[in-house]
Amino acid sequence: DAGVIQSPRHEVTEMGQEVTLRCKPISGHDYLFWYRQTMMRGLELLIYFNNNVPIDDSGMPEDRFSAKMPNASFSTLKIQPSEPRDSAVYFCASSLRREGHTDTQYFGPGTRLTVL
Amino acid sequence: GNSVTQMEGPVTLSEEAFLTINCTYTATGYPSLFWYVQYPGEGLQLLLKATKADDKGSNKGFEATYRKETTSFHLEKGSVQVSDSAVYFCALPNQGGKLIFGQGTELSVKP
Repeated sequence: DAGVIQSPRHEVTEMGQEVTLRCKPISGHDYLFWYRQTMMRGLELLIYFNNNVPIDDSGMPEDRFSAKMPNASFSTLKIQPSEPRDSAVYFCASSLRREGHTDTQYFGPGTRLTVL
Repeated sequence: GNSVTQMEGPVTLSEEAFLTINCTYTATGYPSLFWYVQYPGEGLQLLLKATKADDKGSNKGFEATYRKETTSFHLEKGSVQVSDSAVYFCALPNQGGKLIFGQGTELSVKP
């Protein structure tokens, strides 16, 4: 299996621009998670989906952030408009929940976002 | 809800030294416990896990034992290598299928 795929790996943009991050989870996984990691705040869960439905978006910092999962193979995290404080590494992860137990999350390589 | 606390870093060791990174948790019931590792420039990856009390997870020379009496899941390795330099995260599930991660402990191993 190719693992969780994220694109782009690096993104540099200017303040005010729209940014779209993409994720392809592992085939067959029913959970998808978006995280943000910074030196100051560590690893933060932004939002997660179960069977393509958003379950908890309480970690999304503000309305500038939105996430979608139109099908089981694809998810996007959009920032519009972007601000310098959004600069971070964004990770996507997926997992398969079996028999009511939370199983291992598999992380993608991350997208390093720099907003100038 | 469930929570996890791990020791703060950074931890700096010489090669072949013994490593312990402490992790304690608060949980309802007996959930699975995880250690993840993040190498520089990469995403997190599972290092080991334990699914029930008294289980020992092990991988790459690392071990951790699920101790319900002390609500702990400390990570240990008998002889660290330079290649073990990374950030280590303790984690456990919370309701709804998500994981709660500790703040991470940075390990630096010097030759």
